[in-house]
Amino acid sequence: KAGVTQTPRYLIKTRGQQVTLSCSPISGHRSVSWYQQTPGQGLQFLFEYFSETQRNKGNFPGRFSGRQFSNSRSEMNVSTLELGDSALYLCASSLTQGVEKLFFGSGTQLSVL
Amino acid sequence: SQQGEEDPQALSIQEGENATMNCSYKTSINNLQWYRQNSGRGLVHLILIRSNEREKHSGRLRVTLDTSKKSSSLLITASRAADTASYFCATEGAQKLVFGQGTRLTINP
Repeated sequence: KAGVTQTPRYLIKTRGQQVTLSCSPISGHRSVSWYQQTPGQGLQFLFEYFSETQRNKGNFPGRFSGRQFSNSRSEMNVSTLELGDSALYLCASSLTQGVEKLFFGSGTQLSVL
Repeated sequence: SQQGEEDPQALSIQEGENATMNCSYKTSINNLQWYRQNSGRGLVHLILIRSNEREKHSGRLRVTLDTSKKSSSLLITASRAADTASYFCATEGAQKLVFGQGTRLTINP
C-alpha cells in the first residue's frame, strides 16, 4: 500500500503570494489532518477533513484554508504569505477520526522570502 | 497549546546504551501515542498505549503509562545510530492529536 504522498517537497515563495499544498492519503483512509511544524512552536494542528467536511480547525488565521475531495485527497492553501509562514507542513491520514494512529507524509518545506 | 511535554529536550548517548524519554500531560486521556521523526521528514507512529494499560512493548521499545501521575516514558534499549531522531508524545485534546515539543535523541558511534 502506498503511503501518504505530499507534493511538492520543497517550495520557495515571496511575501504576499499564495500557495497550495497537496496531500494524497493512504488508500481507504478518510481522514486527513494538516499540521504546521516550526522550531519555535513545534507541531501545531491546522485542520482535519473527513468525507469532504472540515471536522476540526486549529487556531490559525483565515489565510489558512483547506479542502478535501471525494477521493479523500486534500489540499491546503495559504494566501498572502508572511515570513512567519515558513515551516514544514505535514499531512497525516487515518482510517477514521484523526486522534487514532496517524500516518504522516514527508511534508512540504515552505520557505517564504 | 501543548498537552504533552517531553523531558529531556535533548539526549545524547553512546550506541548500545538505553535511552529513556518522559512525557507529562495535563488532562485525562483515552490513549497516548509516541512518534519518531527523522530530520526534516514526516512522523512515524511507534506505539499507542491505552489508558487502561500500564506497559507495552514493541521490539526494542518499551512504553509505560502512569495515569495517576499523568506521565509516560519511552525506553529504547540497545540503541543504534539509526535511532537518532526526535521523539514526540501525542495525546488527544479537543478531538485532535496534540504533540509535545519532542526529545531530540542523538546516538553517538
